Amino acid sequence: RKEVEQDPGPFNVPEGATVAFNCTYSNSASQSFFWYRQDCRKEPKLLMSVYSSGNEDGRFTAQLNRASQYISLLIRDSKLSDSATYLCVGLTFSGGYNKLIFGAGTRLAVHP
Amino acid sequence: ETGVTQSPTHLIKTRGQQVTLRCSSQSGHNTVSWYQQALGQGPQFIFQYYREEENGRGNFPPRFSGLQFPNYSSELNVNALELDDSALYLCASGTGSGGYTFGSGTRLTVV
Repeated sequence: RKEVEQDPGPFNVPEGATVAFNCTYSNSASQSFFWYRQDCRKEPKLLMSVYSSGNEDGRFTAQLNRASQYISLLIRDSKLSDSATYLCVGLTFSGGYNKLIFGAGTRLAVHP
Repeated sequence: ETGVTQSPTHLIKTRGQQVTLRCSSQSGHNTVSWYQQALGQGPQFIFQYYREEENGRGNFPPRFSGLQFPNYSSELNVNALELDDSALYLCASGTGSGGYTFGSGTRLTVV
């Protein structure tokens, strides 16, 4: 079983739609979680951190539920420019160092 | 601008050859991690260097090795290349506390 698992994609949605991505993690030692965005053939870029209290950044809302080991990302009013792959990422401290554990990513395609 | 520079951006190698990929870290960052991203997959942790010492390693064979230099730049070396080594190789620099900046990657094709 992978440490971080995401919804398989792709998600194809019209502009203006609300889309939700789900992610689960298996390593309870993971300290922090993030959503990264990766455009085609580019490097991953941090979209937002995820907190148990939930956090919002404009049209984006992220939520962490430690009890169920579940992470979500909600995108409201989708724009064409939101088309990308969204990576769910956990930060784990083990063996004296931090490392990022990535999910396989969920591709989002927003169409006119 | 990312602040982390990787070179080369693309290269093609033949199976069995050796390759060296380079990464210059962001100013103030003393930790560098390397990741391999195969097509359609998320990045997989290869190893991490902190102050010129390898302090963490993922599930990769010993033919994947690295170096970190006093200026915190880094190299990833892969010996005896295999077809499955074809991937995007990403370097990420950070402070060790979790904030990482990724370079734009090196796309390696092994034929």
